[in-house]
Amino acid sequence: NAGVMQNPRHLVRRRGQEARLRCSPMKGHSHVYWYRQLPEEGLKFMVYLQKENIIDESGMPKERFSAEFPKEGPSILRIQQVVRGDSAAYFCASSPYRQGNTEAFFGQGTRLTVV
Amino acid sequence: GESVGLHLPTLSVQEGDNSIINCAYSNSASDYFIWYKQESGKGPQFIIDIRSNMDKRQGQRVTVLLNKTVKHLSLQIAATQPGDSAVYFCAENEETSGSRLTFGEGTQLTVNP
Repeated sequence: NAGVMQNPRHLVRRRGQEARLRCSPMKGHSHVYWYRQLPEEGLKFMVYLQKENIIDESGMPKERFSAEFPKEGPSILRIQQVVRGDSAAYFCASSPYRQGNTEAFFGQGTRLTVV
Repeated sequence: GESVGLHLPTLSVQEGDNSIINCAYSNSASDYFIWYKQESGKGPQFIIDIRSNMDKRQGQRVTVLLNKTVKHLSLQIAATQPGDSAVYFCAENEETSGSRLTFGEGTQLTVNP
């Protein structure tokens, strides 16, 4: 059973470009969570999604950031018009239930560098 | 070796010693806690969890202690090995209010051979 798969592992974008980060949850998991980690800091919650629904986006910046988890395919975190401050590691986690009832499994992350 | 409070981000111990990593959490309503290990360039890896109706839980070489009175969590690693070198994060969740985990800032554990 493959773990949570994130791609790409590393992504370099110029200021103003768009970044698309993909997350395929573990098989059988329908709950996906995105976290952002700045260098030397802990992970910060961004958004929680179930298939075709955004459940909690209280950690998402109000502008330029969006997330989706379609019926088919991976979850996508999209950052439009990237700025240097978006440089961070973005982690996806999945669980079979709403997080808090059980552990969530994390992917290896996508390291976004904005130049 | 033992980390003190939130303001000591590094802990260095000798191989074979016991390690204690501390974490102060902020939300008195949190009822689920997890310790994660994160190696360089990798995602967080689950170590052990504990619910608020417990004050101690043991795993293989690891023990988590929960003191709800002072909102304090600790991770004890017995017979620390070089492979334990990583950053350790505590995370808290308030199950009734949502799904988000709130992570602490982490402690860098270095095990010297």
